[in-house]
Amino acid sequence: GAVVSQHPSWVICKSGTSVKIECRSLDFQATTMFWYRQFPKQSLMLMATSNEGSKATYEQGVEKDKFLINHASLTLSTLTVTSAHPEDSSFYICSARGSRGLSTDTQYFGPGTRLTVL
Amino acid sequence: GENVEQHPSTLSVQEGDSAVIKCTYSDSASNYFPWYKQELGKRPQLIIDIRSNVGEKKDQRIAVTLNKTAKHFSLHITETQPEDSAVYFCAASPVAQKLVFGQGTRLTINP
Repeated sequence: GAVVSQHPSWVICKSGTSVKIECRSLDFQATTMFWYRQFPKQSLMLMATSNEGSKATYEQGVEKDKFLINHASLTLSTLTVTSAHPEDSSFYICSARGSRGLSTDTQYFGPGTRLTVL
Repeated sequence: GENVEQHPSTLSVQEGDSAVIKCTYSDSASNYFPWYKQELGKRPQLIIDIRSNVGEKKDQRIAVTLNKTAKHFSLHITETQPEDSAVYFCAASPVAQKLVFGQGTRLTINP
């Protein structure tokens, strides 16, 4: 149990275009999902916390108009990188917090999406 | 806000020896401390966690200790094997279940 999927696993796009990444909890309901960014050989940096049915809470320094987050259901959150630039190239990973039947402290991570902006 | 420091950044041990990774945190309100293992290009995988009401937890070759007074916690891996080679991250949970991660430790097990 507690499987989180992400789609796509990798994407290459041109500078100035937008990219949408989906994060799904496959076998549990996730009222809270988190989006992280990880640059090569670095740690995971939290970008935002996404709660189902409400606006996301962004970490300091993360542009909410550039990284649009939508958490429309208990199993799906999306991250849209708008007007992507080469500096946005990174590994984006989502996680979902456990709910009923699972530890509510534990975060289960998706496999990540490698974004390359040309 | 919470700040987590992790040491060492790289660690190389002989197969069969023990490995210890240490983390300190700054926010005394943090009450949940997980450890994740991440292989290259893969997702972080939870290997063990500890809550603030417990001082030590063990799962086979892996153990975690927590010293709330000193605000530090450590990961211990005994009888290391080549498949233990990976990057390990500690994390602390201050508020709203969000996690603040340490910088990571690249562990290499030499055959």
